[in-house]
Amino acid sequence: DVKVTQSSRYLVKRTGEKVFLECVQDMDHENMFWYRQDPGLGLRLIYFSYDVKMKEKGDIPEGYSVSREKKERFSLILESASTNQTSMYLCASGRGITEAFFGQGTRLTVV
Amino acid sequence: QKEVEQNSGPLSVPEGAIASLNCTYSDRVSQSFFWYRQYSGKSPELIMSIYSNGDKEDGRFTAQLNKASQYVSLLIRDSQPSDSATYLCAVTETGGGADGLTFGKGTHLIIQP
Repeated sequence: DVKVTQSSRYLVKRTGEKVFLECVQDMDHENMFWYRQDPGLGLRLIYFSYDVKMKEKGDIPEGYSVSREKKERFSLILESASTNQTSMYLCASGRGITEAFFGQGTRLTVV
Repeated sequence: QKEVEQNSGPLSVPEGAIASLNCTYSDRVSQSFFWYRQYSGKSPELIMSIYSNGDKEDGRFTAQLNKASQYVSLLIRDSQPSDSATYLCAVTETGGGADGLTFGKGTHLIIQP
């Protein structure tokens, strides 16, 4: 079974803090993705990566950056957290034609 | 920008009946189509993928794709209360590299015992 593990299930951070969300997959997938999910807005792609050290902007990259130093790990960074970044963050990985498997999600609250 | 449209529901179906979920997409170059199931408070779980026109069956689930009309549907036969969830339609282009899935906002399905 594919296993995608996100470092935290729940996280509370203060406005202006730098926040790191970590994601690890154990299936040697080339592709990894970060989404956020909000009521009424659905799932929106923030960033994705198709190889180590490669990254591509998704639909809503503003206020975020990513890092992929190893194939199995993809990190999402909030440079200066703001309240409008309070959301459920979902990491996914996949191979080839982008079939994606999701981690359990991190519910981030910025206060 | 690609758009994926789904009726948000809730769609209420009696137990044992067929649940029919529909999805339309805007981008004609979309080539790969997926249905995810998401229980409340959980992450999406892939249940079906379809790449060519026609029907694809897997157990109680059937995915149908019509690229000319730009719609994809999911049928759930013999609906069970455990099928109550939000169903997300997702599309992407192929072409070798990843470009991420574009999701609809989901249809909330309720199976009434």
